[in-house]
Amino acid sequence: GENVEQHPSTLSVQEGDSAVIKCTYSDSASNYFPWYKQELGKGPQLIIDIRSNVGEKKDQRIAVTLNKTAKHFSLHITETQPEDSAVYFCAASKGYQGAQKLVFGQGTRLTINP
Amino acid sequence: SAVISQKPSRDICQRGTSLTIQCQVDSQVTMMFWYRQQPGQSLTLIATANQGSEATYESGFVIDKFPISRPNLTFSTLTVSNMSPEDSSIYLCSVERDPRGDTQYFGPGTRLTVL
Repeated sequence: GENVEQHPSTLSVQEGDSAVIKCTYSDSASNYFPWYKQELGKGPQLIIDIRSNVGEKKDQRIAVTLNKTAKHFSLHITETQPEDSAVYFCAASKGYQGAQKLVFGQGTRLTINP
Repeated sequence: SAVISQKPSRDICQRGTSLTIQCQVDSQVTMMFWYRQQPGQSLTLIATANQGSEATYESGFVIDKFPISRPNLTFSTLTVSNMSPEDSSIYLCSVERDPRGDTQYFGPGTRLTVL
């Protein structure tokens, strides 16, 4: 089945700097790649996603890139702010009996230092 | 997106007992999912709940341990049966809310501690 590897497990950056989190997936049939942000005591919040027919997507300070050939995708956060501190999860999915089964990476704990 | 609520938000239970977790969505959805997040870990899918049919369980999860109900298009329950300390986790429900059927939105989670 699908396997998603996420790196790094922890990341600490200075406020205002950029942060990059990388994921690789194993199943070439995967076609949907969301990113979630989980703050302490809360459920995961979808922050951006990308589908396999697109190479890059941006939303203000957040961007995601996808390399289908290499089977990896990355989250880029620019001009980081203290409120960006959280655990970030990548995921991958493909068609599954009419429902999309999400397989998650291990998570990255991002800390923004003031 | 979707407004999803879960009850209870947290609970502390004794070994051998059962707990039923409720998930309510603000509008009708076809697919609902239940995930487990063990302390400091990632999310693992327990089962997919489609209204009007039996839930589909992932490898390592069985109906006797995690029975699921899906009585209508806005509500689902997950029961954690005969609990042990190893069941201490966050349990999350999610829903699909996209015509393409791939985007999932999560509830706030239920934090379960088993003593």
